[in-house]
Amino acid sequence: DQQVKQNSPSLSVQEGRISILNCDYTNSMFDYFLWYKKYPAEGPTFLISISSIKDKNEDGRFTVFLNKSAKHLSLHIVPSQPGDSAVYFCAASRGSQGNLIFGKGTKLSVKP
Amino acid sequence: DTGVSQNPRHKITKRGQNVTFRCDPISEHNRLYWYRQTLGQGPEFLTYFQNEAQLEKSRLLSDRFSAERPKGSFSTLEIQRTEQGDSAMYLCASSPDRGRGPEAFFGQGTRLTVV
Repeated sequence: DQQVKQNSPSLSVQEGRISILNCDYTNSMFDYFLWYKKYPAEGPTFLISISSIKDKNEDGRFTVFLNKSAKHLSLHIVPSQPGDSAVYFCAASRGSQGNLIFGKGTKLSVKP
Repeated sequence: DTGVSQNPRHKITKRGQNVTFRCDPISEHNRLYWYRQTLGQGPEFLTYFQNEAQLEKSRLLSDRFSAERPKGSFSTLEIQRTEQGDSAMYLCASSPDRGRGPEAFFGQGTRLTVV
């Protein structure tokens, strides 16, 4: 039973436009959510996180939105750049000890 | 480079052999994690250390797997009697102990192929 779901395996966006990556979760005990980016043959790179006490967190071109009632979060990238092309993983955690539960990932392609 | 370091990067082994991977975390990071990633999946948690203490083990970690962090610094993950199903990317991550959320920083991984 997948507790963190990324239902879109892939997304293609034009350079300069907005990329929106979605993630749903089932466990209401999760209180921390994270996004990681992964290039081929590399480990995941931490991007941005959000605590369950917030509904938005912004860092440069990256913004994460959390809707607890819908158990849904999204990552917005504005403007999208070709270097953003990678696989993006959503992850969730109970508490701060950090045993992360990951989704299956969404492959983002940003076309010039 | 002060990131998480994993060795070897690649390992090909015959079924039934034992393999050992090493992880050197970011210095002063008390927490160390092992994850496994197979094709088309996200990383799956295997085990977690706080300093030298192994605090949690996933049910994915069968009795053929053992992990150690003897002095609270580097860690090793050993797989005994490897099976083809063990073929995966093994990822190590570390994070500091206090004042932060669960953000963990990953190494580049060790890709294991069992033939």
